[in-house]
Amino acid sequence: EAGVAQSPRYKIIEKRQSVAFWCNPISGHATLYWYQQILGQGPKLLIQFQNNGVVDDSQLPKDRFSAERLKGVDSTLKIQPAKLEDSAVYLCASSLTVESYEQYFGPGTRLTVT
Amino acid sequence: DAKTTQPNSMESNEEEPVHLPCNHSTISGTDYIHWYRQLPSQGPEYVIHGLTSNVNNRMASLAIAEDRKSSTLILHRATLRDAAVYYCILRRNAGNNRKLIWGLGTSLAVNP
Repeated sequence: EAGVAQSPRYKIIEKRQSVAFWCNPISGHATLYWYQQILGQGPKLLIQFQNNGVVDDSQLPKDRFSAERLKGVDSTLKIQPAKLEDSAVYLCASSLTVESYEQYFGPGTRLTVT
Repeated sequence: DAKTTQPNSMESNEEEPVHLPCNHSTISGTDYIHWYRQLPSQGPEYVIHGLTSNVNNRMASLAIAEDRKSSTLILHRATLRDAAVYYCILRRNAGNNRKLIWGLGTSLAVNP
């Protein structure tokens, strides 16, 4: 079974530029999560999708972050404009349903904002 | 959201058992206890979860205190590949919002 795919693996941008991350979840998984993990901390949930609908985006900085999952499969997370404090690893995870106890994580995208 | 408290770091020797403690004194009746681990430069991976009874799987065992205010993840024979950050997480099992609230975790070092 193929795992969660993410790209790119690494990205370096200057502040005020924009960036986009892509995630392809495990086939058949209805629930998709985007997390932000700052160095030395645990992951923080940014947004959770159930199919193509948003379940929770309470911690998403909506003035600069946006995410979509138009066809209920893969997803894109965008930051525009980026700030220095956005430097982090962005993790995508998926689960079969919102009730599933196990989330499967991708390798993450390491973003450096200079 | 209920919080968990874990030691910042622990050390073990290869092939010895490891007991990773977690305190969750504000746990509610519908909260499950989940453990994930994160190997260096990788995404987290699920280890085990439980509600009230002790649980075993191929990776580890989970011992839950009778009052559910603490739990212990047990790795029966540590290997070098078990060196990782281990996260103890509470997850509410009701409604649509069942998100995982992550803490700082315990960084486990395994000595050869």
